[in-house]
Amino acid sequence: GQNIDQPTEMTATEGAIVQINCTYQTSGFNGLFWYQQHAGEAPTFLSYNVLDGLEEKGRFSSFLSRSKGYSYLLLKELQMKDSASYLCAVRDSDYKLSFGAGTTVTVRA
Amino acid sequence: IAGITQAPTSQILAAGRRMTLRCTQDMRHNAMYWYRQDLGLGLRLIHYSNTAGTTGKGEVPDGYSVSRANTDDFPLTLASAVPSQTSVYFCASSEGTSGNNEQFFGPGTRLTVL
Repeated sequence: GQNIDQPTEMTATEGAIVQINCTYQTSGFNGLFWYQQHAGEAPTFLSYNVLDGLEEKGRFSSFLSRSKGYSYLLLKELQMKDSASYLCAVRDSDYKLSFGAGTTVTVRA
Repeated sequence: IAGITQAPTSQILAAGRRMTLRCTQDMRHNAMYWYRQDLGLGLRLIHYSNTAGTTGKGEVPDGYSVSRANTDDFPLTLASAVPSQTSVYFCASSEGTSGNNEQFFGPGTRLTVL
């Protein structure tokens, strides 16, 4: 099974940078995903990491360290529309996803 | 527009009633999934299907059943609803199960069992 931990809430100012950490314990690791979910909507895919290192996609970057069971999602140049929940999900050796409870990010003007 | 649809959008159901949540995708994805999302618990996998004709149990399968008769449809049935099944249900699909195959989520069904 999986045990996935991420902070419940974070607040940041428009234009700033926020880093959302995710730690996991897994019986088998087959990739880590980050999803964004706006209130009342479906989750949408942000990033995928399977090897150690940083993956950059525009204002969003995701980092993975498999030996430490650790990932982070970095959001740069924050905009009001980035206010949402961010979900860390780990895929196991059976190719099933387990999700963390999510981190609610509030962007203030 | 290609995507994944769910019906109904929301439903209020009396305890003990049978209910089927519908999910259809037109992306020809092989794998489909059902999750429930509860406050503070995140998304939890109920059942999944890696390909048409096969299904498997997720983390919280009790009280739910699924079928996958064809590629496009993946209905979720509550045989006898209980209040603890009050939740938001999301259906998802992915082209495959490995590599960078992301899951695409439907808009969700908000179910209240009284």
